[in-house]
Amino acid sequence: QVHLVASGGGVVQPGGSLRLSCLASGFNFSDFGMHWVRQAPGKAPQWLSYIKNDGGDRYYAESVKGRCFISRDNARNSLSLEMTNLTSDDTALYYCVPPTTSDWYGWLDPWGQGTLVTVSS
Amino acid sequence: ESVLTQYPGSLSLSPGESATLSCRASRRVGKSLAWYQQRPGQAPSLVIYDASKRATGIPARFSGSGSGTDFTLTISSLEPEDFAVYYCQHRTNWPPGITFGQGTRLEI
Repeated sequence: QVHLVASGGGVVQPGGSLRLSCLASGFNFSDFGMHWVRQAPGKAPQWLSYIKNDGGDRYYAESVKGRCFISRDNARNSLSLEMTNLTSDDTALYYCVPPTTSDWYGWLDPWGQGTLVTVSS
Repeated sequence: ESVLTQYPGSLSLSPGESATLSCRASRRVGKSLAWYQQRPGQAPSLVIYDASKRATGIPARFSGSGSGTDFTLTISSLEPEDFAVYYCQHRTNWPPGITFGQGTRLEI
């Protein structure tokens, strides 16, 4: 059974930075690309970034390009997301999600429980 | 990228009735569209992919249709657990991107 545990959320000051982590189990992590998706309270999900299974390709949403960096450690079944220059618009629940077909062409499923980031002074 | 517009924004129905949810893309997307269900306090979960294919474990009362710019999610004979928010989602391969509609709230 796929298990995705995101961590690293909390309260961050405006202008600050964060590093989120996701620990994956229940599937062959090194065979799968991975996504980060966030969801602000009461809003639709927003895709942020994708990394290929070998880390060779990284994609970012235009809205976070330049202040976001995705990485992975296949030896530790771990995915990370670093974000800088945070604003209140970054307040959201952040999810790590594998694609259904292991690559960019898959759909987003399953979703973990997410980690909550609150940007506030 | 294609903007996805869902309508109606909310829909009030009773168990046993049928629901029709719509999603319109601003550009033609072929059949590259998925639907997700999000129950209160839970993460979204995949319901329909490739416009009309049911995800694993999804009951047959859920069906998807459409191609190009107009898509529909139909839920026949609503069960209490079906009342949730539904999002449509599209993926573009170049430039790479994923977009979601704003959601339709299906309420009792």
